[in-house]
Formats: sequence, C-alpha cells, structure tokens
Amino acid sequence: DADVTQTPRNRITKTGKRIMLECSQTKGHDRMYWYRQDPGLGLRLIYYSFDVKDINKGEISDGYSVSRQAQAKFSLSLESAIPNQTALYFCATSDWDRSSTDTQYFGPGTRLTVL
Amino acid sequence: LAKTTQPISMDSYEGQEVNITCSHNNIATNDYITWYQQFPSQGPRFIIQGYKTKVTNEVASLFIPADRKSSTLSLPRVSLSDTAVYYCLVGDRRAGAGSYQLTFGKGTKLSVIP
Repeated sequence: DADVTQTPRNRITKTGKRIMLECSQTKGHDRMYWYRQDPGLGLRLIYYSFDVKDINKGEISDGYSVSRQAQAKFSLSLESAIPNQTALYFCATSDWDRSSTDTQYFGPGTRLTVL
Repeated sequence: LAKTTQPISMDSYEGQEVNITCSHNNIATNDYITWYQQFPSQGPRFIIQGYKTKVTNEVASLFIPADRKSSTLSLPRVSLSDTAVYYCLVGDRRAGAGSYQLTFGKGTKLSVIP
C-alpha cells in the first residue's frame, strides 16, 4: 500500500552494526506495528504503538527497540545486528474505532541481511 | 490467547471453489476472526472479518458455525492470481495497549493450478 512506506527496501550489513528501519504513513492512523517474517514462520510481532506516547513489546522484542517520533513515523532499531536477525521486516498501521475492523495496512517490507 | 490451526498447504485447479478451514477451539467471547492474504515479498492484505454466521464481500465469504470454534474462508472460482498464503487471526480487536494479542501464525499456502 503506497500510503505506508518503508526505508530502506533492502539492506545488507555486518554483525555488530546499528541499523534503523524507518516507516512512514499518510493514512492518519494512530496504531503502528513492526513485524518480522522468516521463511516458513509467518509474521511475528516485534513492537506496536497505539499512539505517539505508547510503546508495547510484541512476541519477539529482544534485540530490537523502537521510536514513535510522530503519529506518522515509527522506527525500528537493531542496536547490534546479528545474523539471525536476517529477515523480511514489515511495518503496518491500523485505525481502530468501535465500528471498524481494525484492519492492518502493510508497507512493502524491508529485506535485511546481516552477515 | 486463542490459538489457530490451519492446513499448511492446499492445491486447487483454476475455476474451483476453495475452502480453507481454521480451528480456534479456545476463542473468547469478544474475539473476532480475520483473514489476510499475502503474496510473495509483499505485506499481508485484509480479506474479510466476522464474528458469527456468514459474512460475504466482493472477494470471499466467511462461514462461522454457532460454536465459533472454527471458521471457513471460501474463495469462489479461484484463478492463478489467488495463489498466496492465507492467514487466519483470532483476537479481540478492541484490545487496548499492552494487551494486543492478534498473531499471524504460519498460514495456509494455496497453490492454484492451471
């Protein structure tokens, strides 16, 4: 969905390097999420944020940190990258109210390789 | 947290109706059932959501029996472009911060054969 953008789209880095993946959205949604996807494992939730002042750990937050700089921006950092963090990373947004489905809209993904 | 079980993979010929069943035996009263579709190297895309009985939209139908312990996604007359992974999610969409529980699992890989 063009309303959710991720940068970079591809990144190759070395073990021990600090990496930041950025997500921006123009949908005006309050909720934002970071997932990683490994082959055969589906998507796993890393962190999520329901508004600018809210940050929550997901299923697999160890080794990651996030920053919600504004309603439209949610960044994921790997402080010291390791090879098993090689994966496809997705950012998503949703806009929940009592009458909505809380549908998540995903970005195009960032393919990260840690050597 | 309601756990879901889906078949790992399914094959179908073009033009056939495909039914993918998801089991969620410990679904809670406030939980909804949501299905997403994912093409290779793309993010998942919402297909349909329901709470009980039947829901239909322009893409699919969702059948939920009275006990809500399972649900079936029905895709009418599939085409090659329906080849994708389909995820069943169960959770309370109203969950507040700190309690968000929707998880994607491994999904069902549907292969449509010419």
